[in-house]
Amino acid sequence: DGGITQSPKYLFRKEGQNVTLSCEQNLNHDAMYWYRQDPGQGLRLIYYSQIVNDFQKGDIAEGYSVSREKKESFPLTVTSAQKNPTAFYLCASASGRASVDTQYFGPGTRLTVL
Amino acid sequence: AQTVTQSQPEMSVQEAETVTLSCTYDTSESDYYLFWYKQPPSRQMILVIRQEAYKQQNATENRFSVNFQKAAKSFSLKISDSQLGDAAMYFCAYRPNFGNEKLTFGTGTRLTIIP
Repeated sequence: DGGITQSPKYLFRKEGQNVTLSCEQNLNHDAMYWYRQDPGQGLRLIYYSQIVNDFQKGDIAEGYSVSREKKESFPLTVTSAQKNPTAFYLCASASGRASVDTQYFGPGTRLTVL
Repeated sequence: AQTVTQSQPEMSVQEAETVTLSCTYDTSESDYYLFWYKQPPSRQMILVIRQEAYKQQNATENRFSVNFQKAAKSFSLKISDSQLGDAAMYFCAYRPNFGNEKLTFGTGTRLTIIP
């Protein structure tokens, strides 16, 4: 099946630890995105990548890092510098062709800081 | 900067009735896309419908249709014959039509279906 997978579904982090959230897609999409969702708010963009080995900061990039070494993968690391990391994280991808450039989302990862 | 406003935090509708969710946006661009996404309790974001700003005809997908008023910057979602499975958070989103620009989301409307 084609789609976007995120793992793990639930993640617990201790204070001061870095954690990495996985996002993989087999849709042959060029663009990938990471969003954060907090209660009562819409999604906010953390990072996005339009092509392998290139990525740009979104609106709330501080305390996060990403890599894009493969077209299929766009992992997000939540570092200890992120002061309030407890949230729901959603990964998305899009084809990169503007005429059909709808973003499709993975099932999400719920991160909780203990 | 683009902004998207959903002024109805919560809505409810009787099963089989029709409900309209409101969305307004602010942009200086003339070419863009608008989307409605549904987020059920599973929390996965599911695309409901999309509208290209250059198209005057309102988009329709089965029981879902939009009322796109470009001059008023309004983009409402109408759900006809509401079903229990329609219960979810609904998010309106905007994206300019150049490159892989980000989606700008509203804060969402929680829709409850009353049996």
